[in-house]
Amino acid sequence: DAGITQSPRYKITETGRQVTLMCHQTWSHSYMFWYRQDLGHGLRLIYYSAAADITDKGEVPDGYVVSRSKTENFPLTLESATRSQTSVYFCASRGVGNEQFFGPGTRLTVL
Amino acid sequence: DQQVKQNSPSLSVQEGRISILNCDYTNSMFDYFLWYKKYPAEGPTFLISISSIKDKNEDGRFTVFLNKSAKHLSLHIVPSQPGDSAVYFCAASAGSGGYQKVTFGTGTKLQVIP
Repeated sequence: DAGITQSPRYKITETGRQVTLMCHQTWSHSYMFWYRQDLGHGLRLIYYSAAADITDKGEVPDGYVVSRSKTENFPLTLESATRSQTSVYFCASRGVGNEQFFGPGTRLTVL
Repeated sequence: DQQVKQNSPSLSVQEGRISILNCDYTNSMFDYFLWYKKYPAEGPTFLISISSIKDKNEDGRFTVFLNKSAKHLSLHIVPSQPGDSAVYFCAASAGSGGYQKVTFGTGTKLQVIP
């Protein structure tokens, strides 16, 4: 499918478990982003990547790890999930313009 | 410190009337502003943008106004349609070229009543 996809769409896990959220884009956009959306906070940037093998922290990176070995993929890993990481996670990509293109989101619940 | 503020969490408008969504920012370095629209269970989609060198940008039923002295922007939707019912996020960035951090507001939920 063309565009940007995320998997899984829904995930329930337990405190302390490792979870990986996947993001794939077909546009070969250089920039990719991970956001979390929480009530009262809007969208907050977790990590971003300017190109393959180049990543940097955003506003709320603690507890998360990213990698980008290929341009099209940008997985986000919660190494030891906590209840405060219950949220909706959005992946996005950006080409030459300023607008970002968002995936459909992953709703993560940590019990 | 919320640098981009959308003080109205929700707004209800009759179909056919004008919807006005407001956004205030505090960082004077912001020079590019965007509006995104989000339906439930979907990701945000880009709607319209404006550069700080302009004070108005129009795209069909959607117009964004920028008042730099007041650090305020607004999105006008005329006429409003039921399909416009969604959450609208205001966003702002500073600088050009390379990576520019985008700061999002908390969103305004618009309900257009048929």
